[in-house]
Amino acid sequence: RKEVEQDPGPFNVPEGATVAFNCTYSNSASQSFFWYRQDCRKEPKLLMSVYSSGNEDGRFTAQLNRASQYISLLIRDSKLSDSATYLCVAPRSGGYNKLIFGAGTRLAVHP
Amino acid sequence: NAGVMQNPRHLVRRRGQEARLRCSPMKGHSHVYWYRQLPEEGLKFMVYLQKENIIDESGMPKERFSAEFPKEGPSILRIQQVVRGDSAAYFCASSPLPGTDFYNEQFFGPGTRLTVL
Repeated sequence: RKEVEQDPGPFNVPEGATVAFNCTYSNSASQSFFWYRQDCRKEPKLLMSVYSSGNEDGRFTAQLNRASQYISLLIRDSKLSDSATYLCVAPRSGGYNKLIFGAGTRLAVHP
Repeated sequence: NAGVMQNPRHLVRRRGQEARLRCSPMKGHSHVYWYRQLPEEGLKFMVYLQKENIIDESGMPKERFSAEFPKEGPSILRIQQVVRGDSAAYFCASSPLPGTDFYNEQFFGPGTRLTVL
């Protein structure tokens, strides 16, 4: 089983839609997780951190389910500018110096 | 405040040549991380360095790859005798503090795209 696993998508949604991505992780000792956004051929940028059960920032909500070992990212009222690849990230046990990235979920928002 | 800088942005090498990738961390950051991203795959951790020290190189191939972060100047990722399988995007990230007990955001540079012919 991969350490961090994501559905690659693509998710094609119209503007204004609500879309959710899931990510599963294998290391039950992981305490915190992150969602990064990566635009085509650009560097990843931190979108949200998830330290407890969940975190909300505007149209974005991240939730953590420790029992089932998955993290979700919900995007409400999708904008064209949300089109990107969303990377689920977990730290390897022993600290946050080694981040494990999922392969990413592609989102395409169309008019 | 300039972000993480990497150069060159694109590098083309023939098989057997050497590739040198440079990374200048953000001002005030003394912790550097290198990642490799193959097409359609996630980023893979390679190495974590502090000034003049390699802290964790568990993700770096033992042969042909080396990294350094000297007291002065940028961090260098060096790939000797490149092969086609080395073609990838190499991203560098930096943070102000070590992420030992809690997460310190790693800020990523724009990456170097290496193509091996």
